[in-house]
Amino acid sequence: EPEVTQTPSHQVTQMGQEVILRCVPISNHLYFYWYRQILGQKVEFLVSFYNNEISEKSEIFDDQFSVERPDGSNFTLKIRSTKLEDSAMYFCARDNEQFFGPGTRLTVL
Amino acid sequence: AQKVTQAQTEISVVEKEDVTLDCVYETRDTTYYLFWYKQPPSGELVFLIRRNSFDEQNEISGRYSWNFQKSTSSFNFTITASQVVDSAVYFCALTAAGGFKTIFGAGTRLFVKA
Repeated sequence: EPEVTQTPSHQVTQMGQEVILRCVPISNHLYFYWYRQILGQKVEFLVSFYNNEISEKSEIFDDQFSVERPDGSNFTLKIRSTKLEDSAMYFCARDNEQFFGPGTRLTVL
Repeated sequence: AQKVTQAQTEISVVEKEDVTLDCVYETRDTTYYLFWYKQPPSGELVFLIRRNSFDEQNEISGRYSWNFQKSTSSFNFTITASQVVDSAVYFCALTAAGGFKTIFGAGTRLFVKA
């Protein structure tokens, strides 16, 4: 099975800037998930994506967040206007969460 | 509502000791899945096991074993003859079948000393 990959591995951004995190490349999979983990805390569900639609989202996933699969393979998480509290590890997962990507560490300054 | 409780925040053992990590869950669903993940210091989440609610058989994989008991809503994880490389944070997690959201416990940090 192909692994889940994520880019970038680390992103540093200024507060208020937009960031796009990517799961790359994924093909022939229908279920995708985004989770985040604030340093030292538990893993929190953000959103699930099935057949190119959001199937469920948490209260964390507010209007600042969006997900899409722009080219049929990459699965992206966009944060429109980052806040300091968005600093965390962001994990992409596929197929009932058995396969997690290595994560992207987002640092908002 | 779903909830996963890992009451042990940190456990410290000496190499070759056996150690059990506790996990207690709450759910109203009759069909659900339970997971264990390992998060080593490098930060990635490593899948260890997925168990569905209808399969209460204990599972053994090398030095790892899992004890699922629906009567007590527990899904405990035992490492036999622990090794330094087992040092990590271990997460228990729960998802309802047909659902799209997995709830994680707070994690147990395991230190294995040589």
